Amino acid sequence: GAVVSQHPSWVICKSGTSVKIECRSLDFQATTMFWYRQFPKQSLMLMATSNEGSKATYEQGVEKDKFLINHASLTLSTLTVTSAHPEDSSFYICSAGGTTYNEQFFGPGTRLTVL
Amino acid sequence: ILNVEQSPQSLHVQEGDSTNFTCSFPSSNFYALHWYRWETAKSPEALFVMTLNGDEKKKGRISATLNTKEGYSYLYIKGSQPEDSATYLCTAGPGMRFGAGTRLTVKP
Repeated sequence: GAVVSQHPSWVICKSGTSVKIECRSLDFQATTMFWYRQFPKQSLMLMATSNEGSKATYEQGVEKDKFLINHASLTLSTLTVTSAHPEDSSFYICSAGGTTYNEQFFGPGTRLTVL
Repeated sequence: ILNVEQSPQSLHVQEGDSTNFTCSFPSSNFYALHWYRWETAKSPEALFVMTLNGDEKKKGRISATLNTKEGYSYLYIKGSQPEDSATYLCTAGPGMRFGAGTRLTVKP
């Protein structure tokens, strides 16, 4: 099956710094990738839809200036959490779309802890 | 926005019990129904993709049905095992917004 990787798998940073998370589709090209966040004991919340070569589409309530998404190639999308604060600590996971009815392949996720 | 609702929110069953839960979605603007099995801090695992009204899919002890006219899908687990414990997510696409999920706990 298709493989999606994320890097880093976990990161600890100081409050006020920015953190970049990479999502790569390793053996297929993805014009669309999705970024999710998991709040404690909750489901995966869609943050944004990342479109190759164009601006990301953000869900209502997600700050686009705080969560910068870049989808520069068909195999890479990045999520940058700018000026991170402790409340941004969460599990972030990406997915890349396949060609069959938008079947999604998920990365392993990134655990972000902001001190 | 395609609002997907799942019920129940959580479910506790004994090993060997059969169980089922529901994914509801607006029947208009339906694209495809996806079921995923998700253990926290791991990647969701795709179970089924269904597109046609009346679709039925089966994988081992797990099966699913789809009714696009009334906007729901059922996921069934026959003879639940402790390893089935997970959160089951659905999305009806094209926007990949998940429902809140059904958290299943199977007690030995």
